[in-house]
Amino acid sequence: QKEVEQNSGPLSVPEGAIASLNCTYSDRGSQSFFWYRQYSGKSPELIMSIYSNGDKEDGRFTAQLNKASQYVSLLIRDSQPSDSATYLCAVPYSSASKIIFGSGTRLSIRP
Amino acid sequence: DAGVTQSPTHLIKTRGQQVTLRCSPISGHKSVSWYQQVLGQGPQFIFQYYEKEERGRGNFPDRFSARQFPNYSSELNVNALLLGDSALYLCASSPGTNTGELFFGEGSRLTVL
Repeated sequence: QKEVEQNSGPLSVPEGAIASLNCTYSDRGSQSFFWYRQYSGKSPELIMSIYSNGDKEDGRFTAQLNKASQYVSLLIRDSQPSDSATYLCAVPYSSASKIIFGSGTRLSIRP
Repeated sequence: DAGVTQSPTHLIKTRGQQVTLRCSPISGHKSVSWYQQVLGQGPQFIFQYYEKEERGRGNFPDRFSARQFPNYSSELNVNALLLGDSALYLCASSPGTNTGELFFGEGSRLTVL
């Protein structure tokens, strides 16, 4: 089992719709979870963090965490073409000083 | 404020050669992490340094080494380059260790021929 798993996509969503991105992780001791956005040819940038079970909203973005199911998701409401990018889930591992990234989900917003 | 800076941005080497990549973190950040990213994959963790000490190491061979200097800048060295080392090498800084809030530089694109 991979430490952090994401569907690679591509995920195609019409403009204005909700995009839903999912991530599972294997370390039950993990306490914090992060979403990064990476545009083609650019480096990753942090867009959301979540530490507690439930939802966290920031503008059009909502992160959802379920520690019992070891599942974290990112919802993007009112999707825009500028949201087209690869979204990376990142999890700091409790047993070591390392932050593990998933392989990323490529999101495409079609006009 | 300046972000994370990396140099060089692009470089081409041949198999068997050695390469040194450099990174300057955001002012005030004491932790530097190195990642390797190949096309279509997420960043793979190589090293984390905090206060000049290695705090974490990923599953990379001993050909990969790094260090952090008193000013918190860092170097990543790769010896005996292989074709498979061709990748984007990303440096990320953070205020402390064990945080997933990383600030990435633009990366160093290494091509091994």
